[in-house]
Amino acid sequence: GQNIDQPTEMTATEGAIVQINCTYQTSGFNGLFWYQQHAGEAPTFLSYNVLDGLEEKGRFSSFLSRSKGYSYLLLKELQMKDSASYLCAVIDSNYQLIWGAGTKLIIKP
Amino acid sequence: DAGVTQSPTHLIKTRGQHVTLRCSPISGHKSVSWYQQVLGQGPQFIFQYYEKEERGRGNFPDRFSARQFPNYSSELNVNALLLGDSALYLCASSSGLEWETQYFGPGTRLLVL
Repeated sequence: GQNIDQPTEMTATEGAIVQINCTYQTSGFNGLFWYQQHAGEAPTFLSYNVLDGLEEKGRFSSFLSRSKGYSYLLLKELQMKDSASYLCAVIDSNYQLIWGAGTKLIIKP
Repeated sequence: DAGVTQSPTHLIKTRGQHVTLRCSPISGHKSVSWYQQVLGQGPQFIFQYYEKEERGRGNFPDRFSARQFPNYSSELNVNALLLGDSALYLCASSSGLEWETQYFGPGTRLLVL
């Protein structure tokens, strides 16, 4: 079966750095996404990785290791508005998008 | 430019009823995808339509159907509603079949009693 694992919940302090991990076992791999979703709202795109390595975009960075079936999202200089769920999603060999359950990130002052 | 729009925003139905959800993609986008998101879980892929043809289908029963119109708007239909169909239904549009440039609408929250 297809499986994407993320921690259910994480807590971090405003101004700090947090790393949210995602491991996947899918039938093939054609790319990995990270989305942010505030409560009651639609997901918004953060990053897309298809090759190994680190992609940096402002305060957010995403890393991929295809051989390990592993990705992480790194959030720096945390702000209260970063409190949200972070969803990892993988494109499988059938070009279907498989989603993880999401990690709820709580930012404390 | 308007983003992806969905209607209605909220809906309450009873078991056994039928529901139709609507989605208008971003102007110029030809692909629409539908997702079901149960509270506390990630979205589950239901359908993708491109140029009015079904291009992908997730693991959902035949009670779920969809179509895309010539103006690229789309409808998701669910028959014989079950309590477990209560969820946020998300529509996303993209210019083509690629997932990278997918933009989500605000969703329709369906409650089945």
